[in-house]
Amino acid sequence: EAAVTQSPRNKVTVTGGNVTLSCRQTNSHNYMYWYRQDTGHGLRLIHYSYGAGNLQIGDVPDGYKATRTTQEDFFLLLELASPSQTSLYFCASRDRATETLYFGSGTRLTVL
Amino acid sequence: QQKVQQSPESLTVSEGAMASLNCTFSDRSSDNFRWYRQHSGKGLEVLVSIFSDGEKEEGSFTAHLNRASLHVFLHIREPQPSDSALYLCAVSTTGNYKYVFGAGTRLKVIA
Repeated sequence: EAAVTQSPRNKVTVTGGNVTLSCRQTNSHNYMYWYRQDTGHGLRLIHYSYGAGNLQIGDVPDGYKATRTTQEDFFLLLELASPSQTSLYFCASRDRATETLYFGSGTRLTVL
Repeated sequence: QQKVQQSPESLTVSEGAMASLNCTFSDRSSDNFRWYRQHSGKGLEVLVSIFSDGEKEEGSFTAHLNRASLHVFLHIREPQPSDSALYLCAVSTTGNYKYVFGAGTRLKVIA
């Protein structure tokens, strides 16, 4: 089973702050995803990538940048954090054979 | 754009009673459906995947797909209090690498 590790587990920042969320997967999956989860909205796709150096725009990309530095590592960047970005963020990788997403444990971000 | 809706928003059942959750999707070309479970404060774990009309069973979880009616159901047989969690439906189309999630059904199983 895929192993997806996110860090930090919790993060508090202030409005205008700079935040980087990290994700590493160790099963050589090509596709990786960043989602945010908010009550009443389910999971919404922010960005995804199919390999190092690639970035695809998701459904709610405004205010977020992302970078895939290696096959394993995918980062989500909030350069000017706003309270509306307070959320639970999940990273996932996709198993090509089964097309199943495997998720990390999430990062809870609070923007004051 | 694909819309995925789940009902009910919350459901309480007694231990051992069948629990049935509903997921409705809008894109008729969808052919890739999954149910995930999320315990409070945890990540998502996949329960069952289904790709064609009919049923697919994984342990105590059975997915039932009817693409003509745009519904996919999850039935949980003899749920236990440990099955209390948020259940999420995810829908995709082969060749499209985006997965759309519903908002979830929060299940509570009481002893």
